[in-house]
Amino acid sequence: AQSVTQPDIHITVSEGASLELRCNYSYGATPYLFWYVQSPGQGLQLLLKYFSGDTLVQGIKGFEAEFKRSQSSFNLRKPSVHWSDAAEYFCAVGSFSNAGKSTFGDGTTLTVKP
Amino acid sequence: GAVVSQHPSRVICKSGTSVKIECRSLDFQATTMFWYRQFPKKSLMLMATSNEGSKATYEQGVEKDKFLINHASLTLSTLTVTSAHPEDSSFYICSARVGTGYNEQFFGPGTRLTVL
Repeated sequence: AQSVTQPDIHITVSEGASLELRCNYSYGATPYLFWYVQSPGQGLQLLLKYFSGDTLVQGIKGFEAEFKRSQSSFNLRKPSVHWSDAAEYFCAVGSFSNAGKSTFGDGTTLTVKP
Repeated sequence: GAVVSQHPSRVICKSGTSVKIECRSLDFQATTMFWYRQFPKKSLMLMATSNEGSKATYEQGVEKDKFLINHASLTLSTLTVTSAHPEDSSFYICSARVGTGYNEQFFGPGTRLTVL
């Protein structure tokens, strides 16, 4: 079974500081990996995805993530955080063999200090 | 990108009534739609997978008689919460997948259901 762990429930960073959100997955085959952002009371917006190829993936809003197979990780990074980045972030893993279903981590709440 | 809408965005109902939530793919045809439930400060829990023209596949522990799903067309799936009770209050989110095989899901904005 596939699973996702986001070790950090809540992270607080200062505006302008760098950010890294951790994600570890468990899956026997090649995973498809995603990062989503959710603002309060809203649906999910895809930030970036990894299916194959270059392990460093660029996304929207200045985010990037790196797939590290040896560490089963897909950490999300941003060099300089903006106040508007405050939201809930979800990492998800999916696979072709599992009928296209995605499994989500429990999320990390990002707070941005002025 | 592909757009998915949900209606209504918020609904408040009395205990014992049924509530229907619509999920529409606005600019693409979705052979598969997923329904999720999200509790406060919690992750998304997949409830069921809805395929156009066939019965929905429910995840373990989800009552199919309680949460009726219909995927009548390639652009519309509905979730009906039957005889709703306060414990059914939650945020329900649908997503739609483009084409066959594995592709990314596009999420609707969610529906906040409050059962009094």
